Amino acid sequence: ETGVTQSPTHLIKTRGQQVTLRCSSQSGHNTVSWYQQALGQGPQFIFQYYREEENGRGNFPPRFSGLQFPNYSSELNVNALELDDSALYLCASSPGTSRSQETQYFGPGTRLLVL
Amino acid sequence: AQTVTQSQPEMSVQEAETVTLSCTYDTSENNYYLFWYKQPPSRQMILVIRQEAYKQQNATENRFSVNFQKAAKSFSLKISDSQLGDTAMYFCAFRRTQKRSGDKLTFGTGTRLAVRP
Repeated sequence: ETGVTQSPTHLIKTRGQQVTLRCSSQSGHNTVSWYQQALGQGPQFIFQYYREEENGRGNFPPRFSGLQFPNYSSELNVNALELDDSALYLCASSPGTSRSQETQYFGPGTRLLVL
Repeated sequence: AQTVTQSQPEMSVQEAETVTLSCTYDTSENNYYLFWYKQPPSRQMILVIRQEAYKQQNATENRFSVNFQKAAKSFSLKISDSQLGDTAMYFCAFRRTQKRSGDKLTFGTGTRLAVRP
């Protein structure tokens, strides 16, 4: 069984640029959640996708957007990068049912540095 | 809104000893899940243990066990026979059971555990 994978592992961008981060969910999982983890902090929920539709969003501005594909992989896009966007971005997948998404399993993360 | 508090930024334990990490949370929900995740230097968040709020019995997973006190909204993690590989950041997390605005995890700020040889 393949776990959650993310690409790239590290990324350096400059302020104002756009970035796309990718996540492949664990086999059999149809729900993907994205989290931002600033240095020394706990992860903060960005949004979740369930069967290709957004299923909840945290307190992040619209320049954070996402997409989920038919194979349940997902992308996180961030436009107009700001210095504070520098963080570890974690993707988590879960089996997903009509009632509850159960336990979330995390990928290794993408470390984004905005200069 | 739910909040999760971990009041111990750092902990240290001798190898083979037992250590307890504290977590408290605040919610008006009656049914929910609580988790402990471990994040080693490799960064990958690894599930350690999970507790359903409707279950009175404390969850255990090998050397890891929890003390779940629902009325006190407390959820501590006990690690027995600590091993060097247990050195990591530990996060306590909360999730509602109702599918409402996404089943997001709400995390605490973490406790850095160092296991000394």
